[in-house]
Amino acid sequence: RKEVEQDPGPFNVPEGATVAFNCTYSNSASQSFFWYRQDCRKEPKLLMSVYSSGNEDGRFTAQLNRASQYISLLIRDSKLSDSATYLCVVYEIPNQAGTALIFGKGTTLSVSS
Amino acid sequence: GAVVSQHPSWVICKSGTSVKIECRSLDFQATTMFWYRQFPKQSLMLMATSNEGSKATYEQGVEKDKFLINHASLTLSTLTVTSAHPEDSSFYICSARPRGLADAKNIQYFGAGTRLSVL
Repeated sequence: RKEVEQDPGPFNVPEGATVAFNCTYSNSASQSFFWYRQDCRKEPKLLMSVYSSGNEDGRFTAQLNRASQYISLLIRDSKLSDSATYLCVVYEIPNQAGTALIFGKGTTLSVSS
Repeated sequence: GAVVSQHPSWVICKSGTSVKIECRSLDFQATTMFWYRQFPKQSLMLMATSNEGSKATYEQGVEKDKFLINHASLTLSTLTVTSAHPEDSSFYICSARPRGLADAKNIQYFGAGTRLSVL
């Protein structure tokens, strides 16, 4: 299985800042892409899916560039509650029955007042 | 929303004992459940894919005789760590893939995880 790579950070930003996370994936056959959020010692929770046309959900904007195999997440007007680890996740079909999400190691964001 | 219950949330056990972790989908049927393991500051690593009524598919490097998976119904999968050793200490997370729309979107819903500490 190929990898999903992210800058681990940490990204330390003040409240109100705009911050961008990048992710690259190596399997060109990957089918779907997601950003998950994981708080310390908690399970990952889906933040948003990522589409080639780009998609926005409030302060969060995700972009996908299939040609470059590159995914990004932009957070505007950062809040203290945005502090977490953001996981870039790629969906693949392995060579056996079933499907799998491949997780990056995550990028840690710390927002301070 | 879809809820996945994972139990127990925290286990401390002696080396050599076996530990069973349950993963239940509470309000949906899951034909496929997944078991992941996460070491500190590492990404989630898929251990195995569990399909209801059939044998689990294990990822390369995961011992199927050590990590026993049973998916007896559409709402329950269990992972048993047999003869646990300190190196098995980790955060184990299950996820479930519902039928229907979420299935088509390749979305998985995660349990809250089980923190296993083997002394």
